[in-house]
Amino acid sequence: EVQLLESGGGLVQPGGSLRLSCAASGFRFSSYAMSWVRQAPGKGLEGVSAISGGGYDSTYYADSVKGRFTISRDNSKNTLYLQMNSLRAEDTAVYYCAKDGLGGAQYDVWGQGTMVTVSS
Amino acid sequence: QSALTQPASLSGSPGQSITISCTGTSSDVGGYNYVSWYQLHPDKAPKLMIFEVSNRPSGVSNRFSGSKSGNTASLTISGLQAEDEADYYCSSYTTSTTLNVFGTGTKVTVL
Repeated sequence: EVQLLESGGGLVQPGGSLRLSCAASGFRFSSYAMSWVRQAPGKGLEGVSAISGGGYDSTYYADSVKGRFTISRDNSKNTLYLQMNSLRAEDTAVYYCAKDGLGGAQYDVWGQGTMVTVSS
Repeated sequence: QSALTQPASLSGSPGQSITISCTGTSSDVGGYNYVSWYQLHPDKAPKLMIFEVSNRPSGVSNRFSGSKSGNTASLTISGLQAEDEADYYCSSYTTSTTLNVFGTGTKVTVL
């Protein structure tokens, strides 16, 4: 069974840092692009970052997080990461890990999400 | 990049059909057949319902169907059931940004 399990969320002060992890299982992790998508309380979905698969590891970011967040992957551990620095109140959201489908235009498997709260 | 436009809410009685619209531009919905739809239930992982405008992943009920005309994509839920009550989001490939763009979301209520 294909599964994604996020961890690492929590409460952090403005300006602080947090690293999210996403453990993948049930598919050839290294072959697929992976993404982080977030949903702020009462708001819609927003793509945060993506990383290509197949060994290329090209990275992509939303303008709202560029320069503050870093996406990476460890194919030996089947794990996706999101390093979040200089956190702001507006980064408060549930963060979902998602597997990109073939062609990369859709997210065919999602995790249950991990909550990040940025507050003093 | 602005979000794709969806109605905030729709409702229907069990057995009825409803259609959720998703309006974008020629840079996203209208220009490519890369529209997907997601179902969100509280405290559950989001679920892919439709990809590439009209394709259903394995395991998704055939009561769900997708289509597109010009810059507007649509998700139709036929034979509405209580379990269909959820939030639905469209998404599209876009040339405006490096990440896919999402819709504003639609809350579906089964009366």
